[in-house]
Amino acid sequence: SQTIHQWPATLVQPVGSPLSLECTVEGTSNPNLYWYRQAAGRGLQLLFYSVGIGQISSEVPQNLSASRPQDRQFILSSKKLLLSDSGFYLCAWSVGFSGVGYTFGSGTRLTVV
Amino acid sequence: EDQVTQSPEALRLQEGESSSLNCSYTVSGLRGLFWYRQDPGKGPEFLFTLYSAGEEKEKERLKATLTKKESFLHITAPKPEDSATYLCAVQAKQGAQKLVFGQGTRLTINP
Repeated sequence: SQTIHQWPATLVQPVGSPLSLECTVEGTSNPNLYWYRQAAGRGLQLLFYSVGIGQISSEVPQNLSASRPQDRQFILSSKKLLLSDSGFYLCAWSVGFSGVGYTFGSGTRLTVV
Repeated sequence: EDQVTQSPEALRLQEGESSSLNCSYTVSGLRGLFWYRQDPGKGPEFLFTLYSAGEEKEKERLKATLTKKESFLHITAPKPEDSATYLCAVQAKQGAQKLVFGQGTRLTINP
């Protein structure tokens, strides 16, 4: 069966420090991968999506970047974190058009202090 | 641009008090409308997919309906364990397979 792993679950980082969040998917090949951010009390904002290795599309200009070094690995990064980068980050995957939309990871709560 | 608006932002009900959540959408050709449930500190979990106007789906105390402009999530005789944030999302037929989400409705069921 397919599973998605996202880590860490919680992260507290100082302003100006780097960031690396990792997401891996098991049990499927060539998934579409997504990074979303959810601010407190808000909906999900799509940050990046990828349809294949090395293929990254950015949805909003920001302080973050994404990479897909392997088929089932998706990484969210920043060179220097801002206070406004705080939020709940969710990774998700899909294959083709799925009747369930996306399958989400458990999320990473990032607090920039 | 595809858009999804959910109302109300928050809803408090007594156990057993039925109600409905609204999801209004605009999309350039609907492929599917999705409902998810999200518990605090967790990722969203899939509930329903609706594809065309007039379609309905049910699961336990939840029933989702769809028109050409909106979807409703009806909650019948809710229990405290139904407390969660409910998210609505749409996926267009054209372009990348992105889901566009609404802001969610935070539902609290008091015992």
